[in-house]
Amino acid sequence: GAVVSQHPSWVICKSGTSVKIECRSLDFQATTMFWYRQFPKQSLMLMATSNEGSKATYEQGVEKDKFLINHASLTLSTLTVTSAHPEDSSFYICSASSGAAATDTQYFGPGTRLTVL
Amino acid sequence: QKEVEQNSGPLSVPEGAIASLNCTYSDRGSQSFFWYRQYSGKSPELIMSIYSNGDKEDGRFTAQLNKASQYVSLLIRDSQPSDSATYLCAVEEGGGADGLTFGKGTHLIIQP
Repeated sequence: GAVVSQHPSWVICKSGTSVKIECRSLDFQATTMFWYRQFPKQSLMLMATSNEGSKATYEQGVEKDKFLINHASLTLSTLTVTSAHPEDSSFYICSASSGAAATDTQYFGPGTRLTVL
Repeated sequence: QKEVEQNSGPLSVPEGAIASLNCTYSDRGSQSFFWYRQYSGKSPELIMSIYSNGDKEDGRFTAQLNKASQYVSLLIRDSQPSDSATYLCAVEEGGGADGLTFGKGTHLIIQP
């Protein structure tokens, strides 16, 4: 149980284009989903937190107009990287939580590797 | 600024020995603590979670938490080559609605 999927697993795009990444909780309803980014040899950095039906909360330094997050249902959140540039190339990982209790675990998706040419 | 500190390593341990990984965190309000294992190019995989002071054992893994010292550790007994990976310490301030703050990870190498 507690499986989170991401699609696509990798994507290569040209500079200036937009890329959408999907995150789905397959066997549970996720009240909250998180988006992280990991650059090579760096740790995961939280980008934003999204709750179903409400606006995402972005971490300091993350441009909300560039990284559009939509959490349309309890099982799906999408991250759209708008007007992508080479510096946006990274490993994007989502996670999903089933609740707000301290003991509720975040389950991570397999990640999406974005390469912007 | 919440910070989670780990020694980046690499930490080299002979097969069959105990690997000891350490982590300190800056936010005293943190309530939940996690150890993740990450293989190169893959997503993190949860190894252990711990929420109260003391030790928590799960198979070959033992997590230790000392909130007064703001210190978390992970012990891996009978280390296997397959344990070779980067181990990420993560801290959560509140409940499941909060994002995790990760350390940079410790690269562990188990020598056959």
